[in-house]
Amino acid sequence: ETGVTQTPRHLVMGMTNKKSLKCEQHLGHNAMYWYKQSAKKPLELMFVYSLEERVENNSVPSRFSPECPNSSHLFLHLHTLQPEDSALYLCASSQDTDYEQYFGPGTRLTVT
Amino acid sequence: QKEVEQNSGPLSVPEGAIASLNCTYSDRVSQSFFWYRQYSGKSPELIMSIYSNGDKEDGRFTAQLNKASQYVSLLIRDSQPSDSATYLCAEGRLYGNNRLAFGKGNQVVVIP
Repeated sequence: ETGVTQTPRHLVMGMTNKKSLKCEQHLGHNAMYWYKQSAKKPLELMFVYSLEERVENNSVPSRFSPECPNSSHLFLHLHTLQPEDSALYLCASSQDTDYEQYFGPGTRLTVT
Repeated sequence: QKEVEQNSGPLSVPEGAIASLNCTYSDRVSQSFFWYRQYSGKSPELIMSIYSNGDKEDGRFTAQLNKASQYVSLLIRDSQPSDSATYLCAEGRLYGNNRLAFGKGNQVVVIP
């Protein structure tokens, strides 16, 4: 595998479900990000991890819970989501001192 | 919050013509700028990065940065139907760890 991978690619969940999104980067980077992309809106940064430490939480509701067990893996745990949380969730990674971010293919989430 | 602004509305260009995209930003201390291409249903793909005033060319793409006027542009020469996509402008902000602020994007349609 190369680059940034994400699983699952598509997810449909009910509002009472609990699910997790997974991201893995194979680029040797040490910073990872979660973004949300909704229709007609700019990319929204959700969380930033640098050297496995969360360095930013962009006022994201607590129903989204990130986890970064090591510099190659990033998870987004989801619980009791709302229909408005339906969106494309993108993971990205970068070198600590390099702003160039590389994105994974995304998870298309639908909350019913 | 300071914004990254891109022209609204899709840009239609005939095949072989030059597509010109502009982006303005309001944070004077920003040092790095990026153009991403996003095909429908796909994730953003980094196509250009620029850090210094002036032009940077990569194949059919040219990025232009003018820090005094706070704008960055992207030219696509000899436009091809495969260039039809949404182009996202991103600004690297000095808020600690590698934050990118994205514009809403510009859709480009290349007409054969």
